[in-house]
Amino acid sequence: GAGVSQSPSNKVTEKGKDVELRCDPISGHTALYWYRQSLGQGLEFLIYFQGNSAPDKSGLPSDRFSAERTGGSVSTLTIQRTQQEDSAVYLCASSQVGGPADTQYFGPGTRLTVL
Amino acid sequence: AQSVTQLGSHVSVSEGALVLLRCNYSSSVPPYLFWYVQYPNQGLQLLLKYTTGATLVKGINGFEAEFKKSETSFHLTKPSAHMSDAAEYFCAVSVGVNTGFQKLVFGTGTRLLVSP
Repeated sequence: GAGVSQSPSNKVTEKGKDVELRCDPISGHTALYWYRQSLGQGLEFLIYFQGNSAPDKSGLPSDRFSAERTGGSVSTLTIQRTQQEDSAVYLCASSQVGGPADTQYFGPGTRLTVL
Repeated sequence: AQSVTQLGSHVSVSEGALVLLRCNYSSSVPPYLFWYVQYPNQGLQLLLKYTTGATLVKGINGFEAEFKKSETSFHLTKPSAHMSDAAEYFCAVSVGVNTGFQKLVFGTGTRLLVSP
């Protein structure tokens, strides 16, 4: 596609519910990243995919967070038993090969509000 | 650990004035440095990046940045601010060089306010 797309753009959920956030990267990009942007923590790295593999899961804040990528394309970030501190904007990015000099192209984000 | 520090959470300038947004980095290896801009309710857009080679990097919308190793700095400048430049700006360093994976570590951001 023309750019990275994310859905939904906004999600309001109740504490304790599970949510799924979706990311469609730029076609042909092998690397995919998830970041979280919140007032208190700024922009934080969550997870990185190279193809369908996630060699670095160190940024996931707890075991309630998981992510997968299928077909080397679409990725889903799942948050189980959501807590109020999970409220944030979740940003997805993709890059061509995942090298350190690669430009990461960001989607518009999903704003998650946990009541 | 690699990190970036952005001095000033808010910077205010008048339209037509020089824009200077400061970024200092900490890195044990030659850094790859990025500036991104974020407009309200949008994702991040790359302004420019430094990888290797020329230390003065030109980006989009008239912005440029100079990599100064001796000062561990990568400040962003624009000679003449425009109202449309009002946004939040993030400096970032690429972490994971030579490890097979990459992530960006961001500064805390600087909100640029432009007054008429």
